[in-house]
Amino acid sequence: AQTVTQSQPEMSVQEAETVTLSCTYDTSENNYYLFWYKQPPSRQMILVIRQEAYKQQNATENRFSVNFQKAAKSFSLKISDSQLGDTAMYFCAHRDFGGGGADGLTFGKGTHLIIQP
Amino acid sequence: DTAVSQTPKYLVTQMGNDKSIKCEQNLGHDTMYWYKQDSKKFLKIMFSYNNKELIINETVPNRFSPKSPDKAHLNLHINSLELGDSAVYFCASSQGTAVYGYTFGSGTRLTVV
Repeated sequence: AQTVTQSQPEMSVQEAETVTLSCTYDTSENNYYLFWYKQPPSRQMILVIRQEAYKQQNATENRFSVNFQKAAKSFSLKISDSQLGDTAMYFCAHRDFGGGGADGLTFGKGTHLIIQP
Repeated sequence: DTAVSQTPKYLVTQMGNDKSIKCEQNLGHDTMYWYKQDSKKFLKIMFSYNNKELIINETVPNRFSPKSPDKAHLNLHINSLELGDSAVYFCASSQGTAVYGYTFGSGTRLTVV
């Protein structure tokens, strides 16, 4: 079974700083997808960034980027120039490539990120 | 237009009651899911439906039953509600191999008293 581990229950940084959230995962598959989701106080689950395991290049979306280390099974999220609106729970998630699209996501327990003014 | 909509957003009910949560997606996705988020914010998949067939059924009590009248809807029916069922329930949808991720509804906070 897949597992996803987020070792930082909570982090706090000052506005405009850069912060990195850690995530490790365990899978026996070679092809899979990794995601970071953001859940602000509104409760909505928002996709931040995704990575396909067969792509070596790290994904980037504006201020958000990942450091994907396949051999180490590590998938960290870096947020540059952090903003107050980045305050939220961040969940790392994994999904194997196969299964006909019906497989759900396996989530980590989340990191509560607080951006201080 | 809301991509994945759930109703109601909040539901307070007494132990032993039966309740349903509705979910609709207008994205044309072929797979829909229900996730449960507990009080510690942990998200776990409960069910998924693909082409009207139940594909994943995690170890949830049989008091929970998903019902899908068509590809755009996946409702969650819960019988004989218990205190431990209190949680936030999320509906989600995806297309094909879900390369582009999953789209979630805004969640339903269920409180059993």
